Amino acid sequence: QSALTQPPSASGSPGQSVTISCTGTTSDIGGYNYVSWYQQHPGKAPKLMIYEVTERPSGVPDRFSGSKSGNTASLTVSGLQAEDEADYYCISYAGGNKFVFGPGTKVTVL
Amino acid sequence: EVQLVESGGGLVQPGGSLRLSCAASGFTFTNHYMDWVRQAPGKGLEWVARTTNKPNAYTTEYAASVRGRFTVSRDDSKSSLSLQMNSLKTEDTAVYYCARDTRTALDVWGQGTMVTVSS
Repeated sequence: QSALTQPPSASGSPGQSVTISCTGTTSDIGGYNYVSWYQQHPGKAPKLMIYEVTERPSGVPDRFSGSKSGNTASLTVSGLQAEDEADYYCISYAGGNKFVFGPGTKVTVL
Repeated sequence: EVQLVESGGGLVQPGGSLRLSCAASGFTFTNHYMDWVRQAPGKGLEWVARTTNKPNAYTTEYAASVRGRFTVSRDDSKSSLSLQMNSLKTEDTAVYYCARDTRTALDVWGQGTMVTVSS
């Protein structure tokens, strides 16, 4: 059982936007601005897409954006493209040198 | 190029031991915290362990599911991270990834090494 909650699936047509939520508690998401998002294609290693709630690493398209309100963080993918079809995981720092993970959301591009 | 390469995975019987390694290159390993994350077949990611750096006394932390059985260590002179896994259970079967830890995210991941615990 994951410490964070994500919807199992989300979908959108090419060019549309999709938003994935990640809900935690005041001990993790609500307590720190240290939420990160990862994209994982089948058989591949996860890739960092967003860190510290809203920051994008170099090379990540600006179609990917993050936000947070209270104990819930969100990842929005705008202008969906076929290559965005993947699993997306949220991670939050939870104090005490620990991270907590979400169960992942499968994004399908229709 | 920043790179992490895991090795040491394989098939082991329940109750057995295995040692995973992660070779780092392209960055100053000694400055960074490092983590192990695993993914059981068809399942999501699970954080396993973390080690801080020398200024932070190489403090370690473990997920409850592996605490007391797994030990994370590092050799800064060799830019190497290890995970000693003892008393392995079938539920430890997974791909094990090492990841560079920025303290707020895991920004670089290896390709993973498969561990299968089965009789």
